[in-house]
Amino acid sequence: AQTVTQSQPEMSVQEAETVTLSCTYDTSESDYYLFWYKQPPSRQMILVIRQEAYKQQNATENRFSVNFQKAAKSFSLKISDSQLGDAAMYFCAYPRYNQGGKLIFGQGTELSVKP
Amino acid sequence: GAVVSQHPSRVICKSGTSVKIECRSLDFQATTMFWYRQFPKKSLMLMATSNEGSKATYEQGVEKDKFLINHASLTLSTLTVTSAHPEDSSFYICSASPGTNQETQYFGPGTRLLVL
Repeated sequence: AQTVTQSQPEMSVQEAETVTLSCTYDTSESDYYLFWYKQPPSRQMILVIRQEAYKQQNATENRFSVNFQKAAKSFSLKISDSQLGDAAMYFCAYPRYNQGGKLIFGQGTELSVKP
Repeated sequence: GAVVSQHPSRVICKSGTSVKIECRSLDFQATTMFWYRQFPKKSLMLMATSNEGSKATYEQGVEKDKFLINHASLTLSTLTVTSAHPEDSSFYICSASPGTNQETQYFGPGTRLLVL
């Protein structure tokens, strides 16, 4: 079964510090995408970063980067220089490509940022 | 990035009535759209996959006669909650992708439904 697991229900970080959110997944595929989405209090889902499995280089988007370990099926999100606006629920997701690309989400990690 | 809209953003209805929620892809065509339900502080639960020109594919445990989905065009999918009850109160979100299976999905802003 293809599953996505986020083992940290809640995380907290001091403003300007760095935090890492963990995600593990299970798949038998060799080529796929992985996503991190952010859901702030407005509840609008926002794409944070995307990783292509065939690329060994970790994806980076400004202060957001991933540590992608394909063999370990691990896909963690690192947020550097945390800002108050980073406070949100963060979801890791994997598309089930043989079912029209429907996303399988992790349980979510609620990140709070302390001023 | 691609933009997806939802309407209405909030709706309050009486028990027993039906409510329609629209999901539109504003700047791209989407042969497939997805409908999710989300409870507070929980993850998104996929309800169904909406396919343009064909029947929707429902996830296990989702009543197809309760949650009617119509994908009338390449830019519009609708979810109708029929004979709504208080337990149907929730946050409903749609998503769409401008590409094929593994392309990035973009989400609508969600619809908060309250059934009295």
